[in-house]
Amino acid sequence: RKEVEQDPGPFNVPEGATVAFNCTYSNSASQSFFWYRQDCRKEPKLLMSVYSSGNEDGRFTAQLNRASQYISLLIRDSKLSDSATYLCGRNAGNMLTFGGGTRLMVKP
Amino acid sequence: DVKVTQSSRYLVKRTGEKVFLECVQDMDHENMFWYRQDPGLGLRLIYFSYDVKMKEKGDIPEGYSVSREKKERFSLILESASTNQTSMYLCASSPYTGYEQYFGPGTRLTVT
Repeated sequence: RKEVEQDPGPFNVPEGATVAFNCTYSNSASQSFFWYRQDCRKEPKLLMSVYSSGNEDGRFTAQLNRASQYISLLIRDSKLSDSATYLCGRNAGNMLTFGGGTRLMVKP
Repeated sequence: DVKVTQSSRYLVKRTGEKVFLECVQDMDHENMFWYRQDPGLGLRLIYFSYDVKMKEKGDIPEGYSVSREKKERFSLILESASTNQTSMYLCASSPYTGYEQYFGPGTRLTVT
């Protein structure tokens, strides 16, 4: 089993929809988690950090469930500009391990 | 504002050449990282450094070496480039262990 797993998608949603992605991890010693957004042929950009149970920033909410070993990202009121690949990363010690990413396509 | 820069956006090299990829960060971060990203394989850690002159192997260090002579600069070296090292190379830095990482724009390397 991979250390960090994500559904690759694509998730095709209409503008204004609410969409959620999950990311499962296998190392229970994981200390912190991150969601990154990556546009095509660009570098990943930090979207949100999660150090405890969750985090919220505008339309974006991350929830951490340590018992079930997953972290979710919820996007409300999707915009066309939200179309991207979303990478989940989990940190244990000095190393950050990433999932393969989930692709989101928001349609007009 | 966080700033990580990489020496080249695109690079084409021949098999057997020695290749240097440079990364500079201006945030006084302790930790620096080199990844490669390939379709279907995601981001994979090659090497990281948590201090000047210190380095640790990541998941795929074979065929690579690194150098960190100054805190702000972390170099990735391909001693003898091979076609299977054609990839997108991403450098990242992080202020402390366990904190978020910030990525440079990436170098798309093609080895022919």
